[in-house]
Amino acid sequence: EAQVTQNPRYLITVTGKKLTVTCSQNMNHEYMSWYRQDPGLGLRQIYYSMNVEVTDKGDVPEGYKVSRKEKRNFPLILESPSPNQTSLYFCASSSTTRTGTENEKLFFGSGTQLSVL
Amino acid sequence: GENVEQHPSTLSVQEGDSAVIKCTYSDSASNYFPWYKQELGKRPQLIIDIRSNVGEKKDQRIAVTLNKTAKHFSLHITETQPEDSAVYFCAAIIDRGSTLGRLYFGRGTQLTVWP
Repeated sequence: EAQVTQNPRYLITVTGKKLTVTCSQNMNHEYMSWYRQDPGLGLRQIYYSMNVEVTDKGDVPEGYKVSRKEKRNFPLILESPSPNQTSLYFCASSSTTRTGTENEKLFFGSGTQLSVL
Repeated sequence: GENVEQHPSTLSVQEGDSAVIKCTYSDSASNYFPWYKQELGKRPQLIIDIRSNVGEKKDQRIAVTLNKTAKHFSLHITETQPEDSAVYFCAAIIDRGSTLGRLYFGRGTQLTVWP
């Protein structure tokens, strides 16, 4: 089954304690990205990656790091989490072949609810 | 960069009525406009999309229209049903030629369909 898998689904942590949220896709997609979702603000892109070893900042990259060492994985790293990073996080992936809009469909993971105390 | 505005933020309709959600964008380079539906506690899912070389696209009860000159696009849902209740997001994407780039989402519209 084609899917984007995020872990963990829920995470409670304390300020300053480094954490990693993992994201893995089994569709051989080149494009992967991270979003945070906050009430009234919608989805905001944190980072994206168009291929292995290629990453770019989105709208709200401050306080986050990513890496793309292999095609299937795109972890989100919070080196020193702060309470304002409490949010619902989504990872998503997409093929970049342009044979039709179906191939640009963005597949979202199930989300990670992060609380930083 | 791109700025996507979405209206209204909340929308309540009676079952069977139509619902319209509008989005505007600022960057004329944007050329791909997907719409996502997010049910409570679930992930966003693509429901329809449109490219800038097309003015309108339909899929059963859902349609999207695009006005490139005015830089706005709209989602139309006809014969609404209670299961259409969800948050809907529009997005604008600047095509980089062979890959997706940055995605810009609207802030979402909470649609409630009353039986």
